[in-house]
Amino acid sequence: GAVVSQHPSWVICKSGTSVKIECRSLDFQATTMFWYRQFPKQSLMLMATSNEGSKATYEQGVEKDKFLINHASLTLSTLTVTSAHPEDSSFYICSARDGGRGMETQYFGPGTRLLVL
Amino acid sequence: GQNIDQPTEMTATEGAIVQINCTYQTSGFNGLFWYQQHAGEAPTFLSYNVLDGLEEKGRFSSFLSRSKGYSYLLLKELQMKDSASYLCAVMDSNYQLIWGAGTKLIIKP
Repeated sequence: GAVVSQHPSWVICKSGTSVKIECRSLDFQATTMFWYRQFPKQSLMLMATSNEGSKATYEQGVEKDKFLINHASLTLSTLTVTSAHPEDSSFYICSARDGGRGMETQYFGPGTRLLVL
Repeated sequence: GQNIDQPTEMTATEGAIVQINCTYQTSGFNGLFWYQQHAGEAPTFLSYNVLDGLEEKGRFSSFLSRSKGYSYLLLKELQMKDSASYLCAVMDSNYQLIWGAGTKLIIKP
């Protein structure tokens, strides 16, 4: 099956620093990638959708200047949390849609747990 | 607005059968997904239904009725490792996934 990786799996950083999270599709070309955030005991919240080579589409309430998304290639998308603060501590999960298998197929990465001190 | 409803929590006994229901109201429909999420981990894909009826995959089955806006996930021969949250998600007319809040399933010996 299709594999999506995320790096790093864990990040602990000081308040005010920026953190970059990578999401890679390992064995398929991801025409679309999604970034989710999940707080403890809550459901997934879609932050943004990115298509390769174009600007990301952010969900309402998500600051595009704070959460920078770059989808530079068909196998890599990055999410940069700029000037992170403790309230940004969360579980960040990416997913990728395999354009070759139809619109319905979406695979999740293992997630990145961010703790901002 | 768009809405996905599923029970918050369910409890079942090891070896038994449990049915997790999901009702939805969305702008358009391009399929319904069930995902399993263990605590601290990302969701993993379980099933996808786009036509009415029952899809069986081992111990797990998923049913869809588009006219009723209703789906269920059926888990048979429950094992302790099935303790997890089960997320129902519907793909709308824009191919966006609309997520339910998830059902936490607790399995007791």
